[in-house]
Amino acid sequence: GENVEQHPSTLSVQEGDSAVIKCTYSDSASNYFPWYKQELGKRPQLIIDIRSNVGEKKDQRIAVTLNKTAKHFSLHITETQPEDSAVYFCAGREIGGFKTIFGAGTRLFVKA
Amino acid sequence: EPEVTQTPSHQVTQMGQEVILRCVPISNHLYFYWYRQILGQKVEFLVSFYNNEISEKSEIFDDQFSVERPDGSNFTLKIRSTKLEDSAMYFCASSEALWANTEAFFGQGTRLTVV
Repeated sequence: GENVEQHPSTLSVQEGDSAVIKCTYSDSASNYFPWYKQELGKRPQLIIDIRSNVGEKKDQRIAVTLNKTAKHFSLHITETQPEDSAVYFCAGREIGGFKTIFGAGTRLFVKA
Repeated sequence: EPEVTQTPSHQVTQMGQEVILRCVPISNHLYFYWYRQILGQKVEFLVSFYNNEISEKSEIFDDQFSVERPDGSNFTLKIRSTKLEDSAMYFCASSEALWANTEAFFGQGTRLTVV
């Protein structure tokens, strides 16, 4: 079955710097990759997603890139702000499948 | 904005007891999911439910677990005989179409503590 690995587990950056979180997946049939942000004690919320027919997607300060050949995808946050501090989860699933597999999460700290 | 709601927010139960976690998905959604998150760990898939039947389940979802949509609005997760290791945050989610085609929305979670 699908396995999603996520690195790093913890990331600390200065406000204004960029943050990059990387994920790899094992199932070549996976072709939908959402990213979720989870603030302490709250529900995971979708921040951006990408499908395998696209190599990059951007939404304001957030971008995601996908390399299907290497089976890895990354989240890029530019001009980080303290409110970006949270746990970020990558995930993967096969289009048409019902199971979304999450990575272990990255705890991002943005220092003011 | 429509939300997935879960009750209770926190449930404490004795080991061996049965618990039922309740979820009200967004009203026009057709696909329903349960996930769990042990403290400090990843979000793990338990089960998906579509057209009144389980569409997929994980190895975690053994005979102690069951799901039901009893009345067209609620979606419940039952754990028959709870174990200490069942202590976790349980999230319900729902989506209008298959998750890859549309966003899935999570509820706020039920924290289950087995003592």
